Amino acid sequence: AQSVTQLDSHVSVSEGTPVLLRCNYSSSYSPSLFWYVQHPNKGLQLLLKYTSAATLVKGINGFEAEFKKSETSFHLTKPSAHMSDAAEYFCVVSVLSGYSTLTFGKGTMLLVSP
Amino acid sequence: NAGVTQTPKFRILKIGQSMTLQCTQDMNHNYMYWYRQDPGMGLKLIYYSVGAGITDKGEVPNGYNVSRSTTEDFPLRLELAAPSQTSVYFCASSYQGSRTDTQYFGPGTRLTVL
Repeated sequence: AQSVTQLDSHVSVSEGTPVLLRCNYSSSYSPSLFWYVQHPNKGLQLLLKYTSAATLVKGINGFEAEFKKSETSFHLTKPSAHMSDAAEYFCVVSVLSGYSTLTFGKGTMLLVSP
Repeated sequence: NAGVTQTPKFRILKIGQSMTLQCTQDMNHNYMYWYRQDPGMGLKLIYYSVGAGITDKGEVPNGYNVSRSTTEDFPLRLELAAPSQTSVYFCASSYQGSRTDTQYFGPGTRLTVL
């Protein structure tokens, strides 16, 4: 079985400062890991994904994440927050057991102040 | 491409009523999924389909039914609505069911059962 823990339910930053959203996972198999973003009253949009190639993954809008197997982590970072980054972020693990099973974290709400 | 579309966007049901949530994708994806998102939680899989005519249960299937007569459409049926089914419902699709495959999400249907 797999699971995902997002370590912060809310993160507040000022515009222009770095963003760090933390995610730990557990999986019995080699996982794929995703970060999705959900803006208010919108669907989920893929930010980036790790699929066992490069451990540092670059995504859209300046976000990136690093897969660290020894720490079972997949933290999301961005050097400089923008007001438009305010949204909810979901860390997701995928393993193949019959079909691709996505397990979602509970989400981290990112608040960006001027 | 419109991607994944869902109708309606919002709906209020009375206890015991039934309804069908519609989902259509125009990406010729084989796999389609229905999730529900409860407040403060990640998404949970209700049902999925690996192709026309083939469906199977996910993590929380009770109270729902699905069918898949075409590649494009994957409706979700609620019979005898209950307050516990108040949630936001997301439809998603992917080309394959592999663990590396990206799932593309629709904008969601917000359902309230009173």
